[in-house]
Amino acid sequence: SQQGEEDPQALSIQEGENATMNCSYKTSINNLQWYRQNSGRGLVHLILIRSNEREKHSGRLRVTLDTSKKSSSLLITASRAADTASYFCATDAMKDSTLTFGKGTMLLVSP
Amino acid sequence: DAEITQSPRHKITETGRQVTLACHQTWNHNNMFWYRQDLGHGLRLIHYSYGVQDTNKGEVSDGYSVSRSNTEDLPLTLESAASSQTSVYFCASSSRLQETQYFGPGTRLLVL
Repeated sequence: SQQGEEDPQALSIQEGENATMNCSYKTSINNLQWYRQNSGRGLVHLILIRSNEREKHSGRLRVTLDTSKKSSSLLITASRAADTASYFCATDAMKDSTLTFGKGTMLLVSP
Repeated sequence: DAEITQSPRHKITETGRQVTLACHQTWNHNNMFWYRQDLGHGLRLIHYSYGVQDTNKGEVSDGYSVSRSNTEDLPLTLESAASSQTSVYFCASSSRLQETQYFGPGTRLLVL
């Protein structure tokens, strides 16, 4: 069963624009993570936000977490063609130590 | 540099054959995971291990088995390959539960 679900499924933007992806989940969590996957590669960890945090920044990435709405957003500012990838959110169920990944958002950044 | 590797990177096999996919990590992580990735399903957890001699079933464990005889390796075995097991398989490891996982490059498996 999917704990996290990303929205939109696909996003196409121009270089320099901002990209926003959303993740909704169902049960209480300890942490929420975002990962990137380039075509044909393994996933790469981007950022982790804990349940007691509301916002976190890492370079051009900004993540927010709203535990009351059980949702998170990933904002990539000033996007580049190299940001073209699939982005996944991953949540941990508090009763279980494993991560559950969503189906991902495919981001295409055109020059 | 520490890394996590998978072999083979590509594999074609026939229905009914036993297949073993290797995963080796040099992070010295206790926690290791196997996922499969399919269009429309995202990543789904197959098996995981929290340490030597520990193995646990994930969401889609039927038809798969793992063993953990040392910290570095978690091989995934398909006992009798089925066409439904055609997929991309990823191994991952982490030092702390529920936190950052480091992924291998994946193995593309085709079962004919």
